[in-house]
Amino acid sequence: DTGVSQNPRHKITKRGQNVTFRCDPISEHNRLYWYRQTLGQGPEFLTYFQNEAQLEKSRLLSDRFSAERPKGSFSTLEIQRTEQGDSAMYLCASSPPNAFWQYFGPGTRLTVT
Amino acid sequence: KNQVEQSPQSLIILEGKNCTLQCNYTVSPFSNLRWYKQDTGRGPVSLTIMTFSENTKSNGRYTATLDADTKQSSLHITASQLSDSASYICVVSSGETNDYKLSFGAGTTVTVRA
Repeated sequence: DTGVSQNPRHKITKRGQNVTFRCDPISEHNRLYWYRQTLGQGPEFLTYFQNEAQLEKSRLLSDRFSAERPKGSFSTLEIQRTEQGDSAMYLCASSPPNAFWQYFGPGTRLTVT
Repeated sequence: KNQVEQSPQSLIILEGKNCTLQCNYTVSPFSNLRWYKQDTGRGPVSLTIMTFSENTKSNGRYTATLDADTKQSSLHITASQLSDSASYICVVSSGETNDYKLSFGAGTTVTVRA
């Protein structure tokens, strides 16, 4: 499978715990995006990488959230001290240079109890 | 206020019938408009993309139209199949250099029944 992959697919955690998600983009896609999607809503932009540089962060990305893409390939999204409001689907997408299309991964469903 | 509004919020159709989904947007400047299909619990999959100069784009039984003057788009599904049951999301991009700044609609949930 050469699509965008995300791990884990599902994560249940207790409030206050830290969680980390991983996204592996399509190879040679230099752009990588993280989105959050709550039930019945479209995805909301969180952050964007071009290669290893994080070029934009949404104000939705509070201090408890941090994303990295150290080698310009896979990316991680960490949420510290999770809150129930963090429960959502976290989507990763990637796109090649100079292309409109964003290819989405299957998402990681986070449930904070 | 969301810059991309979709209607209806949900609809139910019988297998084999046609349906049309609507998308109105206020995003400006405008670069391109995309329709995505999202199955429950999965990531969105692209269906069509249209730039300012394009009025219609087809992908199999899916046909998208765009009126950039009125800032409206529609997605028409022909001869619906059970596998068409999904959420259809309208997405507008405000610029090529800022292509990551996408505005997403809330989606229209389509249920196709036998």
